[in-house]
Amino acid sequence: DIQMTQSPSSLSASVGDRITIICRASQNIGRSLNWYQQKPGKAPNLLIYGASNLQSGVPSRFSGSGSGTDFTLTISGLQPEDFATYYCQHSYNVLWAFGQGTKVEIK
Amino acid sequence: EVQLVESGGGLVQPGGSLRLSCAASGFTFSDHYMDWIRQAPGEGLEWVGRIRNKAQSYTTEYAASLRGRFTISRDDSKNSVFLQMNSLKTEDTAMYYCTRLMSSSGYWSSDLWGRGTLVTVSP
Repeated sequence: DIQMTQSPSSLSASVGDRITIICRASQNIGRSLNWYQQKPGKAPNLLIYGASNLQSGVPSRFSGSGSGTDFTLTISGLQPEDFATYYCQHSYNVLWAFGQGTKVEIK
Repeated sequence: EVQLVESGGGLVQPGGSLRLSCAASGFTFSDHYMDWIRQAPGEGLEWVGRIRNKAQSYTTEYAASLRGRFTISRDDSKNSVFLQMNSLKTEDTAMYYCTRLMSSSGYWSSDLWGRGTLVTVSP
């Protein structure tokens, strides 16, 4: 099975900051990598698919990059509504898996 | 409105069974693959399994740890997908989400999620 590892597990940042979350796959997954945002008590929401494709309706301050085993999610100009938990997920083969999540908190 | 609405969660004893339902509306349900994903309290997301569409013979896939206890089915005439859970364990306690799969630019993702239904397995 492909394992997904995110870092950091949590981070504190201020409104307006630029932050980067890292996701690593245990094997080459090409660009089959998705990012989701989850706010407390809510279902996750798709942000990025195919490593770098912005889902419709998602603000352009969110961006994704990477291929193979190393991927990043960047938020440029953190907004109050961006404080949430972010998950990466691979869709490379049949058995999808998520990273453990990165909680973004207000400094 | 495009939405997914889960139901059927509740409190069940260890060893018991439960059947979750997910009703879809606002889109052509029969075209789509559907997934179930769960989240234990305070924990991360865990992919449970998938059912494909009629064109793919309604084939299913399951997380290795759940294979044999969980079964996914669908009824396209009712725009619904189901998760039958048997021999439930306390560690199956979680919020269960159904999701719609999307393929865009050759990449698959869960682009629509329901609000979830809570399953609690406890004596």
